[in-house]
Amino acid sequence: DQQVKQNSPSLSVQEGRISILNCDYTNSMFDYFLWYKKYPAEGPTFLISISSIKDKNEDGRFTVFLNKSAKHLSLHIVPSQPGDSAVYFCAALRRGLSNTGKLIFGQGTTLQVKP
Amino acid sequence: EAQVTQNPRYLITVTGKKLTVTCSQNMNHEYMSWYRQDPGLGLRQIYYSMNVEVTDKGDVPEGYKVSRKEKRNFPLILESPSPNQTSLYFCASSPAGSTIIGELFFGEGSRLTVL
Repeated sequence: DQQVKQNSPSLSVQEGRISILNCDYTNSMFDYFLWYKKYPAEGPTFLISISSIKDKNEDGRFTVFLNKSAKHLSLHIVPSQPGDSAVYFCAALRRGLSNTGKLIFGQGTTLQVKP
Repeated sequence: EAQVTQNPRYLITVTGKKLTVTCSQNMNHEYMSWYRQDPGLGLRQIYYSMNVEVTDKGDVPEGYKVSRKEKRNFPLILESPSPNQTSLYFCASSPAGSTIIGELFFGEGSRLTVL
């Protein structure tokens, strides 16, 4: 049972345009969401996160949007750059007193930004 | 330099030959975890540890063992490896705290092939 899903295995965009990566989750108890970026032959690195009390979080060119009613989050990259080409994983967990230490990842989306 | 170090980075072994993948972090993090990455399945959690001498199963613990005798080390043990354990393995760590646990620092990965 995949609790966090990234239904698009790959995405290709032109340099300078917007990249939108999507993620859906099924567990309404998740209250913290994260995006990780992974280059080949390297470990994933943390990119941006959002708490369930917010619907948007911005960090430079990266913005994460959360729609709790739809159990959907998205990562927007504007403008996209060739160096953004990587695999992007979304992840979710329950924090606070119920925190079990379990961080659930999606399948990943490979982003290619063409010059 | 703050890092998570895994060894070996690459290993080819045969079915049934016990092996250990070591993981060490120099950031004094309480939380450590092991993941495996497989095509189309993303990152799946094998085991995690909230602190020394405290370990718990993740989503795919079968066929693996871990120990956490000291804060910095979290080895992954395959007592009798099988071909379905051929995968890319990542160790990760995080400072203590229910909100910080999601922001993991990953090692560079260990690619294991079981023949």
